[in-house]
Amino acid sequence: IAGITQAPTSQILAAGRRMTLRCTQDMRHNAMYWYRQDLGLGLRLIHYSNTAGTTGKGEVPDGYSVSRANTDDFPLTLASAVPSQTSVYFCASSDASHNEQFFGPGTRLTVL
Amino acid sequence: GQNIDQPTEMTATEGAIVQINCTYQTSGFNGLFWYQQHAGEAPTFLSYNVLDGLEEKGRFSSFLSRSKGYSYLLLKELQMKDSASYLCAVLSNDYKLSFGAGTTVTVRA
Repeated sequence: IAGITQAPTSQILAAGRRMTLRCTQDMRHNAMYWYRQDLGLGLRLIHYSNTAGTTGKGEVPDGYSVSRANTDDFPLTLASAVPSQTSVYFCASSDASHNEQFFGPGTRLTVL
Repeated sequence: GQNIDQPTEMTATEGAIVQINCTYQTSGFNGLFWYQQHAGEAPTFLSYNVLDGLEEKGRFSSFLSRSKGYSYLLLKELQMKDSASYLCAVLSNDYKLSFGAGTTVTVRA
């Protein structure tokens, strides 16, 4: 693989179910991010990690959790999905210079 | 926090020039980014400005004035493939990116 991959590409989920969105990068970037993108609101930061073993809250963290056990992987978990979490989710990464964030292809999530 | 404003939509003719303005109010500043996003795709990096002035890269240029909290992205010699959403984003002192809602540019023949 080259760059950032996300899985699944899309998912339809019943409300109340647990879901983990996967993100993997092979660029050895220190920092990783999760965004959601909703029409008219742009990209909003959910959680981030500046280095393996550390995480932080972004602008809209409620209902989501993350972990960063190693450099490459940064999964996003919805413990109990709600319809307002219907969105397109993008994972991104950057190196220590933070001069550019590289984005994954996105996951389209629908919660019914 | 960050407050980032950019126009919602712009329309221009193929071969023309379009300027997308972005104003921001920020509690900390570590650079300003422009990204391009085609419908259904991920954002892709266009430019990064951390110092005042103009950065030129082919048909695209980006300008920054930190004292005015202002940036613009200039697209020259517009092509149909430039029809996309253009996102202005500010990097804070703790290296978090805050995005504007995006400007949808439509290029007409």
